[in-house]
Amino acid sequence: GAVVSQHPSWVICKSGTSVKIECRSLDFQATTMFWYRQFPKQSLMLMATSNEGSKATYEQGVEKDKFLINHASLTLSTLTVTSAHPEDSSFYICSARMAINTGELFFGEGSRLTVL
Amino acid sequence: DAKTTQPTSMDCAEGRAANLPCNHSTISGNEYVYWYRQIHSQGPQYIIHGLKNNETNEMASLIITEDRKSSTLILPHATLRDTAVYYCIVRVGGNTGKLIFGQGTTLQVKP
Repeated sequence: GAVVSQHPSWVICKSGTSVKIECRSLDFQATTMFWYRQFPKQSLMLMATSNEGSKATYEQGVEKDKFLINHASLTLSTLTVTSAHPEDSSFYICSARMAINTGELFFGEGSRLTVL
Repeated sequence: DAKTTQPTSMDCAEGRAANLPCNHSTISGNEYVYWYRQIHSQGPQYIIHGLKNNETNEMASLIITEDRKSSTLILPHATLRDTAVYYCIVRVGGNTGKLIFGQGTTLQVKP
């Protein structure tokens, strides 16, 4: 099946620093990727939708200047948490939709961010 | 956006069928019903999706009522590894749109 890989799987950083999380579709081209975050014991919350070669569309209440999303190629999207603070600590998950749409979205294994 | 309602939690005996219900009474004609599950600290795993016909794959069956206002996910022979949070999602924007997750059902499969 189609594989979506995230890197890093977990990261610890100091408050005020920026962290980049990568999302790669390993064996297919993804025209659209979605970024979610999940706090403990809560459901996934959609942050933004990114289409290859264009600006991301952010959900209401998500700060686009804080969560920078780049989707420069059909196999890679990145999420950069800028000037991270402890309240940004969360599980960040991406999903990808194939260029040839099967209707299925494939999810990465998630990246756990801890901001000290 | 169509919303879904699921029971917070359910138990199932190992080897028995697990039937997970979902209500989506405000679903629109072109909106698909998707099911995903999430095992602790992992990314969601796709299970199945459908529009109005019943669907079956190697993992599960999806039964959608004729009025499309509710559906049931059936795991025919639950195993301990099926313990997870199961999300029923009505996909916004047809089968190319985004997935908005609700709270899901925590299924506990017991020996």
